[in-house]
Amino acid sequence: QKEVEQDPGPLSVPEGAIVSLNCTYSNSAFQYFMWYRQYSRKGPELLMYTYSSGNKEDGRFTAQVDKSSKYISLFIRDSQPSDSATYLCAMSLQLDAGNMLTFGGGTRLMVKP
Amino acid sequence: DTGVSQDPRHKITKRGQNVTFRCDPISEHNRLYWYRQTLGQGPEFLTYFQNEAQLEKSRLLSDRFSAERPKGSFSTLEIQRTEQGDSAMYLCASSLAQGRQYFGPGTRLTVT
Repeated sequence: QKEVEQDPGPLSVPEGAIVSLNCTYSNSAFQYFMWYRQYSRKGPELLMYTYSSGNKEDGRFTAQVDKSSKYISLFIRDSQPSDSATYLCAMSLQLDAGNMLTFGGGTRLMVKP
Repeated sequence: DTGVSQDPRHKITKRGQNVTFRCDPISEHNRLYWYRQTLGQGPEFLTYFQNEAQLEKSRLLSDRFSAERPKGSFSTLEIQRTEQGDSAMYLCASSLAQGRQYFGPGTRLTVT
């Protein structure tokens, strides 16, 4: 079993829909949680960065962390065709211990006009 | 452009050949990371440097792989005696100590 699990999709939604992307993890020591967006044949781009449990909002994006359930989510409001990409969750233990990231497998999102 | 750059972007090689990739991090970033990403999977950590010191290596990094960061700036990743299983995207990321990681565009390796 992988440390971080993510539904691979693809997830297809109409333009304007609210998208929910999720990851579960097994290592309760993870403290830092990130969401990256990756377009085809490009490197991952950081979208959201959160520490411990709670919510964080940035424009159309909201990240949620529930450490008690070992579950994190990314919500995208008013989805656009330009949001079509693979979304990767990532997490790390301690920033001062190297901060190596453990990624989920990615969810491919397609937003149809 | 002051982002992370990687060279080459795509490398095709025959099994058994050696290949070397280069990564130029964001200037003043003292940490540099290498990850490998296979098709349909998320990136997997390989190794990281703080300045010129290689501080951590994953079990994924077999003895055919070697990475250097000689002056604490750019880094190279060499794969000796390539195998078809080495075909993947090799990603480099850099950060300030304890900071967020910024990824380069990757080098796609195809071993035939």
